[in-house]
Amino acid sequence: DTEVTQTPKHLVMGMTNKKSLKCEQHMGHRAMYWYKQKAKKPPELMFVYSYEKLSINESVPSRFSPECPNSSLLNLHLHALQPEDSALYLCASSRGWIGNNSPLHFGNGTRLTVT
Amino acid sequence: TQLLEQSPQFLSIQEGENLTVYCNSSSVFSSLQWYRQEPGEGPVLLVTVVTGGEVKKLKRLTFQFGDARKDSSLHITAAQPGDTGLYLCARPNTGNQFYFGTGTSLTVIP
Repeated sequence: DTEVTQTPKHLVMGMTNKKSLKCEQHMGHRAMYWYKQKAKKPPELMFVYSYEKLSINESVPSRFSPECPNSSLLNLHLHALQPEDSALYLCASSRGWIGNNSPLHFGNGTRLTVT
Repeated sequence: TQLLEQSPQFLSIQEGENLTVYCNSSSVFSSLQWYRQEPGEGPVLLVTVVTGGEVKKLKRLTFQFGDARKDSSLHITAAQPGDTGLYLCARPNTGNQFYFGTGTSLTVIP
């Protein structure tokens, strides 16, 4: 079992819908991430939160809106998505101190289909 | 972008065969991580290598960090169907950012 929990596991939404993806970790990690992954491709970084502040936004369209309510929770709000946004959305966390080679801990992802 | 090139991109082998996956960069990095992602799951850390020339073993998997710290390899001995998955190298960077390699998709046929 992964220590990073993502819900829902699967989501089908229309292009006019609003939905949210949720991620939770209780390892005391201070960095949290959203990645987008297409089949058999590496994860693509979307957002990084460090100590609950957005530190990296990799030029993600505004139809994706991240939120970090506290150090354990990370949300991704979705609105007016396009079919090409269909992908596996992965949440990850790390201790937040790169200097000690802290690895990423991933959830099992939300499989999103936009119709 | 600091590109990590992996080769091969796809690999399909019979159970019991050996294989090697490569991760190459034009830049020197302080450390490198290898992850495996099984179907339907998120990537899971296999190993972190830090010292140039370092070799680490994890059961049938052998990881090597190049002397110049620009490349790494993963060798699997006697591959099993359970080894099937996407293998990713990654390097941590400043700002809590991680750069992933281009990925190697391995299928081990029983």
